[in-house]
Parts: sequence; structure tokens; C-alpha cells
Amino acid sequence: AQSVTQPDIHITVSEGASLELRCNYSYGATPYLFWYVQSPGQGLQLLLKYFSGDTLVQGIKGFEAEFKRSQSSFNLRKPSVHWSDAAEYFCAVGRRMDSSYKLIFGSGTRLLVRP
Amino acid sequence: EAQVTQNPRYLITVTGKKLTVTCSQNMNHEYMSWYRQDPGLGLRQIYYSMNVEVTDKGDVPEGYKVSRKEKRNFPLILESPSPNQTSLYFCASSPGEGLAGYEQYFGPGTRLTVT
Repeated sequence: AQSVTQPDIHITVSEGASLELRCNYSYGATPYLFWYVQSPGQGLQLLLKYFSGDTLVQGIKGFEAEFKRSQSSFNLRKPSVHWSDAAEYFCAVGRRMDSSYKLIFGSGTRLLVRP
Repeated sequence: EAQVTQNPRYLITVTGKKLTVTCSQNMNHEYMSWYRQDPGLGLRQIYYSMNVEVTDKGDVPEGYKVSRKEKRNFPLILESPSPNQTSLYFCASSPGEGLAGYEQYFGPGTRLTVT
């Protein structure tokens, strides 16, 4: 069965420092991969997506992610974190099941930003 | 503004009292879906709908009903809520065609407490 693992429940970084959030997936075929961000009291917002092609994808708010098939990973990165990036981040795999555009989510990583 | 709206945002109710959470989107999207979010579990799909009058079960449909009488609306119905349905609920929509079907727009969430 497909699954998504985000091994870090919480991560704390200082403002201005670089960030990497880990995501590993289990899926037989080429996956469709996504990162969503959930700010406090808000719904989920799509940060970036990977369907095919260039394995380094750029997203909104200065985020990027790299798809590494050999490691079954899709880690999210940002070179310099801002206080407004404090939120919960979800990695997801997309799979067409029956007629559903199914998103399988990881359990999330909560990012805390130190001033 | 393109958006998915949910009402109510917060609801406290008692076991067995029927309730409905409304969801509406203004993007003319074909595909709509309901998720529940629980700590440590990420988001899990409850029901989805490919179009008007077409609905199907997701991963955790027990205790829920849905209907899709109009394209823009997709209400979630709990006929007899129980405490294990205490959760944060999200409605989402997408164009539902090709890869764009995976790019789901989420509502702000409804926090439900069943006592």
C-alpha cells in the first residue's frame, strides 16, 4: 500500500537559517508528489508539485523540493526561513484510484521559527 | 476571489444529534472531496464526488453521508455523530481533469467536537 512518511514531527530553526523537511514515500510507479502548508487556523495551501521532468521543482514563497527516485524522497527546502513560515507542512502522494484523485498525506511536520 | 468555503467553522454538539457541514466552491470545479485531520494521522479522505450526483467512498466513510445535487455544493452529513468523529474537517475541490485533478484547493476547515 502507498504511504508517506514525514519522520520529523517538529522542527525548530532560527529566522534566516536554511530549512529542509524530509518526506519519504512508498509507491510502485512514478509518483505524483506534493507539498502543502497549513498555517494556524487556515486550510491547506499547495506549495509545489512534481508530476514528471526536472526533479528540482520550484514553488511559492521561495520553497523548492527535489525528487530523488533512488531514495524515494521528496524533501522540501528553503534557503532562508522567515518567521511567517511557521506552520505545519504536509507531504502527499497523488494516485488515481477508481475515479478519485486520491491524495495520501504524511502525518505532517510542524515548523517553529526562533526569532 | 476563488475559494472554498465551509460552515460552520466551529461546532460543538452532542452524541446522536444530526448535523450538516456545508461546503461550497466558486471555481466551477468538477471534483470535490471531504477529509478529516487527526493528530499524527495527517488527512484521510472521507468521500469524494466526480460530478453532480456522482459520489463515492474514500478511506474512512463510516458514519458519514454526502450529497452532490449542485456542482458548487458538497455537504457532509453526520446522521448520528459519535465522539470518535471529533476532528478537523476539510473540504477540497479541483478541476478534476487530468493532472489538474490532484491540485486540490482546500477550505478553511471545520472543527467539530462531539460530546
